[in-house]
Amino acid sequence: KNEVEQSPQNLTAQEGEFITINCSYSVGISALHWLQQHPGGGIVSLFMLSSGKKKHGRLIATINIQEKHSSLHITASHPRDSAVYICAVRDDKIIFGKGTRLHILP
Amino acid sequence: DAMVIQNPRYQVTQFGKPVTLSCSQTLNHNVMYWYQQKSSQAPKLLFHYYDKDFNNEADTPDNFQSRRPNTSFCFLDIRSPGLGDAAMYLCATSRGTPLSVYEQYFGPGTRLTVT
Repeated sequence: KNEVEQSPQNLTAQEGEFITINCSYSVGISALHWLQQHPGGGIVSLFMLSSGKKKHGRLIATINIQEKHSSLHITASHPRDSAVYICAVRDDKIIFGKGTRLHILP
Repeated sequence: DAMVIQNPRYQVTQFGKPVTLSCSQTLNHNVMYWYQQKSSQAPKLLFHYYDKDFNNEADTPDNFQSRRPNTSFCFLDIRSPGLGDAAMYLCATSRGTPLSVYEQYFGPGTRLTVT
């Protein structure tokens, strides 16, 4: 069974800081998702990766298949980025990490 | 805009009183998922449909049932809700087949309270 670990669990930063959230998993996967969940519950899919790097606006996601590790970066962070960021991996089913709670202070 | 819609957003039911949550999509995706998410926990997959093919997770209680009358709609029925079933219920869709991998699109969720 795949184990998905995210770090840190909680992160508070000042507006403008560069943010990194990490995800590691234990077994080979076919794809990895980064999801964003705001208070109130709705989940938004940010990225789906199977190799390399993707960028969308201020968000960058990377994955290292050999090391079984992915990172989500936020450049020039803003209070509206405050949310829970969830890593989910797919082998024969999708398995979610417990999430990283990010709080950006103005 | 194409999207995943869940109704209602908030549902209150009484202990033991059957409740139905609904999900609809305009994405024309063939796969639909139901997840349960309890406070501060990761979403937990309950079941999913590949087209009309229903796939139940092994640890999903029998109290939870689902119906998919057509491509656009999927329902989650909780036959006899208990206090432990209070949670956020998330619907998601994707393209795909059992062997392919596509991005999932989530609805806003229905928060269920059991009194």
